[in-house]
Amino acid sequence: KAGVTQTPRYLIKTRGQQVTLSCSPISGHRSVSWYQQTPGQGLQFLFEYFSETQRNKGNFPGRFSGRQFSNSRSEMNVSTLELGDSALYLCASSIGESNQPQHFGDGTRLSIL
Amino acid sequence: AQSVTQPDIHITVSEGASLELRCNYSYGATPYLFWYVQSPGQGLQLLLKYFSGDTLVQGIKGFEAEFKRSQSSFNLRKPSVHWSDAAEYFCAVGAPQGGNKLVFGAGTILRVKS
Repeated sequence: KAGVTQTPRYLIKTRGQQVTLSCSPISGHRSVSWYQQTPGQGLQFLFEYFSETQRNKGNFPGRFSGRQFSNSRSEMNVSTLELGDSALYLCASSIGESNQPQHFGDGTRLSIL
Repeated sequence: AQSVTQPDIHITVSEGASLELRCNYSYGATPYLFWYVQSPGQGLQLLLKYFSGDTLVQGIKGFEAEFKRSQSSFNLRKPSVHWSDAAEYFCAVGAPQGGNKLVFGAGTILRVKS
């Protein structure tokens, strides 16, 4: 069974640009969550989607947005990139709606120049 | 609001020695608790979880954790550490009826010396 797939693995952007990251969950998983990991702030929750609906949202500015498609695949978008957006972005999928173990992808490493 | 504290940023143990990583949580009700491990350049792998029932839970790779409500703790243990256990370990809490959102501790980096 394939795991959570995140693309691309590495990305370099410049300030002011926008970026879209993709996540394909484990087959049959309907919940997708996104996390930002930085050395200074650690792992922080961005948002969670279940059946194409945003269920939870973390404390991030509106420049961070996401969506989920009918096949459960998810994308997150960051507009007007700032240097502080440099991070490892992790996607996790769960089989159920609530309190399920999450399975993580290997992440997308985003570097802002 | 939920919070998770991992008091030890770094821990170094000798190969073959026992290991205990500490985790304390703050939450009003009984939370859902998890331990994850992350190797460099990779995502997080679930080691074990506690939802209810037996307070001693067994996980993969020989790890176990004990939930102690009175101490708001969920410490991770392993009786004999292997060099391949060197990684960063994260404790996380999820809220009942709170979707699948997790709040993570800051992590503990485990170094294993031979």
